[in-house]
Amino acid sequence: SQQGEEDPQALSIQEGENATMNCSYKTSINNLQWYRQNSGRGLVHLILIRSNEREKHSGRLRVTLDTSKKSSSLLITASRAADTASYFCATVTNQGGKLIFGQGTELSVKP
Amino acid sequence: EPEVTQTPSHQVTQMGQEVILRCVPISNHLYFYWYRQILGQKVEFLVSFYNNEISEKSEIFDDQFSVERPDGSNFTLKIRSTKLEDSAMYFCASSEQMGTEAFFGQGTRLTVV
Repeated sequence: SQQGEEDPQALSIQEGENATMNCSYKTSINNLQWYRQNSGRGLVHLILIRSNEREKHSGRLRVTLDTSKKSSSLLITASRAADTASYFCATVTNQGGKLIFGQGTELSVKP
Repeated sequence: EPEVTQTPSHQVTQMGQEVILRCVPISNHLYFYWYRQILGQKVEFLVSFYNNEISEKSEIFDDQFSVERPDGSNFTLKIRSTKLEDSAMYFCASSEQMGTEAFFGQGTRLTVV
């Protein structure tokens, strides 16, 4: 498998707190992407970080990438109840455009 | 905002029957994909399609599966003889360039009985 693990598998926090999710992978990548999935719905792209980038921001999202450790993290700051969803990392290699997904982190933000 | 649309949203079929899942990708996108997600599991890649041919497929995408772009807008996934283990959520996705941000449809929930 090209994809490692995401941790934690589940995370429960209070509104206003920060949420951090981690992702590890096994192969060399072209880029790594984070997606969000509300229960039973489609996946929504959040952010893409290329292999030559170390950090990227988008609104309340901050993504880091450490290619030496083959890991990435997603930080959601000042979380809201509406952030409750599953979050997946997905890697793209240089051999093609397919996304290889991790197992995901189920985030619950309590109001 | 442009979006990927999938039909039907739910499909129940008898084991051994053929099903066709339909997708309309975003109009200026060139790369098309099918993924599936068995309940409670991760999203798995099935196949990618570019320039009217399959560019990559996974081990899941065996001879029972086929894809087609019959016209300029639709992209279909056919399962010839469904099995119980084909029950899953099937997602279509498209992207402008290879490996860039993918836009996903809302999925078709396939239940094989």
